[in-house]
Amino acid sequence: GENVEQHPSTLSVQEGDSAVIKCTYSDSASNYFPWYKQELGKGPQLIIDIRSNVGEKKDQRIAVTLNKTAKHFSLHITETQPEDSAVYFCAATYSSASKIIFGSGTRLSIRP
Amino acid sequence: EAQVTQNPRYLITVTGKKLTVTCSQNMNHEYMSWYRQDPGLGLRQIYYSMNVEATDKGDVPEGYKVSRKEKRNFPLILESPSPNQTSLYFCASSPAGTQNGELFFGEGSRLTVL
Repeated sequence: GENVEQHPSTLSVQEGDSAVIKCTYSDSASNYFPWYKQELGKGPQLIIDIRSNVGEKKDQRIAVTLNKTAKHFSLHITETQPEDSAVYFCAATYSSASKIIFGSGTRLSIRP
Repeated sequence: EAQVTQNPRYLITVTGKKLTVTCSQNMNHEYMSWYRQDPGLGLRQIYYSMNVEATDKGDVPEGYKVSRKEKRNFPLILESPSPNQTSLYFCASSPAGTQNGELFFGEGSRLTVL
């Protein structure tokens, strides 16, 4: 069935370093891949997304890459700051339905 | 302010006692959906609705019901709650489905079933 695997489940990086979170999806029909950030006690919030006709997208310190052949997509955060500490979820959606499958989440901690 | 509002935010109940978690959005969005968040499992979609009177099952619909009688409201109903429905629940909305951009999430409802 449809599945999104996300790694790692926890990640701790020094402030100023980069963080990378990776996801793999199972259904080649997936065509839209959003990333959500969830701060403590809040609902998830979209931070960046990518569509299947694009290989990379950047927004300031955040970038997402997509490899359709391998069915991988990744979130890259550069020059990490304390406010980047949160849980991050990748997701994949499908054109044939209005379903969305989320990964299991990555808890990112930024060490001062 | 544009928002998705869920109530209650916290609830402790007992097995078998029917409960409803309300969800309301003020953005005139067509699409609304419910998710549960459990440790290590991420967010799993329970039900979604593309428009009024149009609802469909997500990945984990068992034990839940929904209704969409008005565009702004999408309540989640647990007819006979069980302990395995103890979870953090989120409602979300978007202008048109999951293909066209951002899902706007509520702040969550933490449910404990004893």
